[in-house]
Amino acid sequence: DGGITQSPKYLFRKEGQNVTLSCEQNLNHDAMYWYRQDPGQGLRLIYYSQIVNDFQKGDIAEGYSVSREKKESFPLTVTSAQKNPTAFYLCATKNRGTDTQYFGPGTRLTVL
Amino acid sequence: SQELEQSPQSLIVQEGKNLTINCTSSKTLYGLYWYKQKYGEGLIFLMMLQKGGEEKSHEKITAKLDEKKQQSSLHITASQPSHAGIYLCGADIEKGGSEKLVFGKGMKLTVNP
Repeated sequence: DGGITQSPKYLFRKEGQNVTLSCEQNLNHDAMYWYRQDPGQGLRLIYYSQIVNDFQKGDIAEGYSVSREKKESFPLTVTSAQKNPTAFYLCATKNRGTDTQYFGPGTRLTVL
Repeated sequence: SQELEQSPQSLIVQEGKNLTINCTSSKTLYGLYWYKQKYGEGLIFLMMLQKGGEEKSHEKITAKLDEKKQQSSLHITASQPSHAGIYLCGADIEKGGSEKLVFGKGMKLTVNP
């Protein structure tokens, strides 16, 4: 079954704890993206990676970190430095030579 | 400032009615993408427009790109409750192509049976 998976769907953490969100794809797409969605704010780009072992900061990278050790995986860590981590996080992928991004089902993070 | 403005911000229509939503860019559009999102779920790709005057249709949804106005419109004919959701536009606004897209804030559509 092909596609993009994000886990978990819901995540609760205490303030001050780091948390890692998973994004896995079996589409063999080269590029992967992390977005944050807040009510009334649309999507904002956190980090993206065009190739394994390389990634670039997006518009709101502060307080987040990523890694791209495998083509299939692009985990996002929300660190304690992120001041307002409660949000809906979306992962997307894009194949080289095409322009369309495809999205995963999202993870809703709530920091208590 | 917001690079992509969507209008209206929300819309409530009666089932069977036609509707149009717009996405306007403050910069030159090099590619325009329409997505649909159910609350709490991921974005579903609807269609992509790249050339001025281009028009694409999928079932009862038609999207057009007006290059001069730097605007795209999404028209739904004979709306159904299944059309309800949030419609987002995304755009490539960098000449020569970009790995990144900018997104509008979305338009929430409610279709009453």
